[in-house]
Order: sequence, then structure tokens, then C-alpha cells
Amino acid sequence: GAGVSQSPSNKVTEKGKDVELRCDPISGHTALYWYRQRLGQGLEFLIYFQGNSAPDKSGLPSDRFSAERTGESVSTLTIQRTQQEDSAVYLCASSFLKETQYFGPGTRLLVL
Amino acid sequence: AQKITQTQPGMFVQEKEAVTLDCTYDTSDPSYGLFWYKQPSSGEMIFLIYQGSYDQQNATEGRYSLNFQKARKSANLVISASQLGDSAMYFCAMLILSGGYNKLIFGAGTRLAVHP
Repeated sequence: GAGVSQSPSNKVTEKGKDVELRCDPISGHTALYWYRQRLGQGLEFLIYFQGNSAPDKSGLPSDRFSAERTGESVSTLTIQRTQQEDSAVYLCASSFLKETQYFGPGTRLLVL
Repeated sequence: AQKITQTQPGMFVQEKEAVTLDCTYDTSDPSYGLFWYKQPSSGEMIFLIYQGSYDQQNATEGRYSLNFQKARKSANLVISASQLGDSAMYFCAMLILSGGYNKLIFGAGTRLAVHP
């Protein structure tokens, strides 16, 4: 079946602009996760959805970051007033309950 | 606090030989899972192998095996018969299975280079 998909694959934006990143999880997966990976580093957890609710938002770095999930499917991560330190790869993953998380290809964000 | 430590920033191995990538973890929770992911230069995270804290036997998946030593809190990945396509970053990760935790905690990764 289809894996996790993310769009856009690459995004270049100017400092101060808002960006929206999209994630389509594997069909039937109840849980959805967003992670951030800065260049040369491991993954940092941002937020976790179970269904459409987000019981753990502890990794969101500031109030410029928000995310939502609708229809227990698609999720959007929004970064407002982007800063250069937001440049990273944003990875989405999905899982059925607490089983293995499967990752999408990521969105490479560059803030100029 | 939960933590994953990968002490090898980079490793080299000759094609067809075996290599061990180290991972130690720290948690006081008795119920957890340990994962290894491979990240090639293209950037996607590919799931390789999983070990549950209560699993009696070490996990194996094809050429990958996990050397799980619970008392030492280590979960090393062994890749047998290395191939050129194994060159990538490898991440060890932990998931606490009890309570409301759902996030994977990742190590810093090990870059593996397989030489012909």
C-alpha cells in the first residue's frame, strides 16, 4: 500500500513569511507525528496526534509553530513568521496505535 | 530522563564484512521498545528492526540483528555481510510503551561507510 507522503518536498521562503507543510499518513494509521531534523543532527519530536487530537505538543519550539489534523487523516504543520533557525527537514510519521512509526520523505525547508 | 546515546559518529567497514553500531539507552520505565532506522543520503527514514524490552530473544531481520543486553542497557545493531548500499546514517530510537508517551527519542546517529 501507499506509504506516508509529504508536500512540498522542498520549500524556500523568506524570513517572516508563513509556511504550511502537509502530511498524508498511511491509511488506517491512528497516530501521526511531526519531527524536525536540523542538518547533521538526529530527529527532534515536535507533536503527536491520536485521531484528531494532540495529546502531546511538548516539542513545538515556540508559539509560531502549530499543527492540526482533520478527518483522522491529513495533517498540516504551520510555521508563522519563519526565522532562519527554522531551516531543517520536517519529517512526518504515522503508526497504528503504538506500533512501528513509518516516516515520509520529509519537507526540506530553507528560510532565507 | 529518557536518552539514547550513539557514541560512534562515523564507522567504516569493508564490503562483505560484519559491522556493529553501538547504542545505549537510559530509562527507568520497564516497558519500552528500541528501534533502528536507516537514513540514506536521499533523506527518508527506513525502519530496520525492533526489540521490545520484554522480548526474550534478540530480534533479527535478514542481515540485521539486534544485540540486546538489558542489564547493560545496550541495543547494538549488527549488520552482517555489508553491502555498498548499506552506506547511510543509522539512528537508534526508543519508545516508552507505558502511559501516554508516544514520541520516539532518537540518538545523534552513526554514519556508516562501506568500502569495496
